[in-house]
Amino acid sequence: DQQVKQNSPSLSVQEGRISILNCDYTNSMFDYFLWYKKYPAEGPTFLISISSIKDKNEDGRFTVFLNKSAKHLSLHIVPSQPGDSAVYFCAASAPAGGYQKVTFGIGTKLQVIP
Amino acid sequence: EAQVTQNPRYLITVTGKKLTVTCSQNMNHEYMSWYRQDPGLGLRQIYYSMNVEVTDKGDVPEGYKVSRKEKRNFPLILESPSPNQTSLYFCASSLRGGFGEQYFGPGTRLTVT
Repeated sequence: DQQVKQNSPSLSVQEGRISILNCDYTNSMFDYFLWYKKYPAEGPTFLISISSIKDKNEDGRFTVFLNKSAKHLSLHIVPSQPGDSAVYFCAASAPAGGYQKVTFGIGTKLQVIP
Repeated sequence: EAQVTQNPRYLITVTGKKLTVTCSQNMNHEYMSWYRQDPGLGLRQIYYSMNVEVTDKGDVPEGYKVSRKEKRNFPLILESPSPNQTSLYFCASSLRGGFGEQYFGPGTRLTVT
């Protein structure tokens, strides 16, 4: 049972345009959400996060939106750059026995075309 | 430089031959975790540790062992590897468990024949 779903395995976007990566979750106990970016042959790196008490968090070209009623979050990248081409993992965490257990989605591969 | 290191980066071994993948972090983080990444399955947690001598199972712990004798090190042990453990493994550490960012190592590509 996938609690964090990234239904688009891949996405292609022209350089300069907006990239929108989507993520759905089923566990209503999730209270913190994160996005990680992963380049080939490297480990994932943290990109941006959002607490469940907020509906938007912005960091430069990256904005994460959270719609709790729909159990949906999205990552917007504006403008998209070729260096943004990577696999993006959505992650969500929930309290579990004294720490926050993190669950990852399967990832979306973004290709930004110059 | 803050980092998580893993060794080896690549390993090919045979079924049943015990192996250890080392993980070390230099950020004094209390929380460390092991994940495996498989096509179509994303990152799945194998084991985690909240502090020295405190470890617990993640989502896919079968066939793996861990230990946390020092804060900086969190080795992953495969006592009797099998082909279904062929995967890409990542170690990660963080200051606050699931809150805030985790720092990931570069990955270990394991092939069990």
